[in-house]
Formats: sequence, C-alpha cells, structure tokens
Amino acid sequence: DAGITQSPRHKVTETGTPVTLRCHQTENHRYMYWYRQDPGHGLRLIHYSYGVKDTDKGEVSDGYSVSRSKTEDFLLTLESATSSQTSVYFCAISEPGTGRTDTQYFGPGTRLTVL
Amino acid sequence: QKEVEQNSGPLSVPEGAIASLNCTYSDRGSQSFFWYRQYSGKSPELIMFIYSNGDKEDGRFTAQLNKASQYVSLLIRDSQPSDSATYLCAPSSNYKLSFGAGTTVTVRA
Repeated sequence: DAGITQSPRHKVTETGTPVTLRCHQTENHRYMYWYRQDPGHGLRLIHYSYGVKDTDKGEVSDGYSVSRSKTEDFLLTLESATSSQTSVYFCAISEPGTGRTDTQYFGPGTRLTVL
Repeated sequence: QKEVEQNSGPLSVPEGAIASLNCTYSDRGSQSFFWYRQYSGKSPELIMFIYSNGDKEDGRFTAQLNKASQYVSLLIRDSQPSDSATYLCAPSSNYKLSFGAGTTVTVRA
C-alpha cells in the first residue's frame, strides 16, 4: 500500500466552524489531490498540488482552500463549514512520468459531518 | 465539464460468469484510462490502467480502449464473490482524473 495517511478519519463539526483535514505521504510523490465523494456524484476533484507551494483548483473548489508547505503534507481547509460539505474526503498522490503512467493512489478517507 | 458515463447498476452476475462494465468519456484529450475498485466504506484501489487502443489483460481482468469511440470497458472473467464492489472508470488528462459515478457489481454464489 502506498504510504498515505489522513487525519482525522472521522469528524463531526458545526456549521460555521473552520475545519482542516490533513494528508500525509511517505512516498515523496510530487502530485497530491483532494477529492470529495458523495452518493450519485462519484469522486470530484477539489484542489490539487504539483509541488511545494504549487496548487490549483479542481471542479468543486468553492468554499475550500489548500496549502502545501512540505512535500509530504497537503492540507485542506474549510474556512466556514456548511452542511453541503458533509462528505467523504479522499487524498490521493501520484508521481507522473514513472512507468508512463500517472496512476493515483488513494488514502483511507475522512468522513466529515457538518451539523 | 468533463463527463464520464458508466453503465448504471447494480449489475448482478452469477459466480463464474463474466461481468462487463462500460464507460464513455467526453474529453478527447484523455491520455490514460484507469479502473478502480471500491469496496463499501473503503478507498478506491487501482485494478488496471490502459493508454493504447486495444485490449490489455491482467489476470481475470481485461480492459478495452477505443479512443475514436471514446469508450473504455472492463471485463471481469470467472467472477468471484470478492469481486462484489463498485467499479470506477477514470480517464486522465493533464495528470487529473475525472471519475464516473461507478457501477456496483454483485456476484451471487
């Protein structure tokens, strides 16, 4: 298994509070991604990073921000959580260019509930 | 918006049969195509990827790609109860994946 951990694994919070999710990898992969998964929608990309301090938006980035100050850590922040952000959040990593594949490997996920 | 459509499920197959999963995509710039398996409550895990037109076999799994038709499929031969899961199709473009909603497969003994 790829060395990816996510913390916390479960979180319940209230509307309007800030929340930060952490993704940590031990693979030294350049690319890191945050997805959310909701019933009927599959996995949707929130933000991604292609290096330290290099990030870009995905298709559902509104209400989320990210930071990457070290290769191994990618943080996802909900500045003011809303009930619509209740979801399962997955982190993924990849190292494009190795073996002519940009395979992404996923972390275990964080289940977030916003009341 | 990059659309990825998978055949709606759930798909129920008897043990030992072939399960056939289909996927169409809208982004002609897609370069690689991935199939992930996701058990309930777990994270997606890679089954296989394909980037050239034609067939690619890996054990009981065969992926087929037709870029002209913007179509990719996955065949699971000799289906086992452990294959019961949701299968996600994911074309890749510029190092980003677009996922379909998935097809849930149930293998009945």
